[in-house]
Amino acid sequence: GALVYQYPRRTICKSGTSMRMECQAVGFQATSVAWYRQSPQKTFELIALSTVNSAIKYEQNFTQEKFPISHPNLSFSSMTVLNAYLEDRGLYLCGAREGTYAEQFFGPGTRLTVL
Amino acid sequence: GDQVEQSPSALSLHEGTGSALRCNFTTTMRAVQWFQQNSRGSLINLFYLASGTKENGRLKSTFNSKESYSTLHIRDAQLEDSGTYFCAAEAWASGGNYKPTFGKGTSLVVHP
Repeated sequence: GALVYQYPRRTICKSGTSMRMECQAVGFQATSVAWYRQSPQKTFELIALSTVNSAIKYEQNFTQEKFPISHPNLSFSSMTVLNAYLEDRGLYLCGAREGTYAEQFFGPGTRLTVL
Repeated sequence: GDQVEQSPSALSLHEGTGSALRCNFTTTMRAVQWFQQNSRGSLINLFYLASGTKENGRLKSTFNSKESYSTLHIRDAQLEDSGTYFCAAEAWASGGNYKPTFGKGTSLVVHP
């Protein structure tokens, strides 16, 4: 079956520091990976969409300078939150899919707490 | 405004009863996906539909692209069905660059 792993599951960082999170797809080829942030109020925000062999597309209010993403192969993606502040708190989820017309599979998320 | 409007925001059911959740779309969507988010935050895939109706056990989902809505029906609710349910829909986009948009969720509590 298709599975997506994310690590770490939880992380705490000091304000102004950075942290990296990883996403691994198993059982299928992650041709597209979408990174989301879910706020404490449970609202989802799409951060960026990464498709193999295409440029990574960031949504409004999110930039590569703040959330650099790597998607080097069909099973792995990583995202870093640079200079994290309180407003960056939340559950970061990666959703991966194989092909354009296919369901997304999500990892369990990385919960970021910023002190 | 929001492209995906999900309702109700909260729902309380007694075991054995049922209800329907709904997502209305303000733009033409090509596919919709339904998830259950459990207490640990994990998103469990329920359905992926490009059209029509799918059924899985006590759950049934319909997607009507023309009329811009999707529904998720739960029957014979069980305690383990408690959680937050989300729909996520994808608008048609050029170059296959879909932009999945989530609804705000329905918080379901099933009581004994």
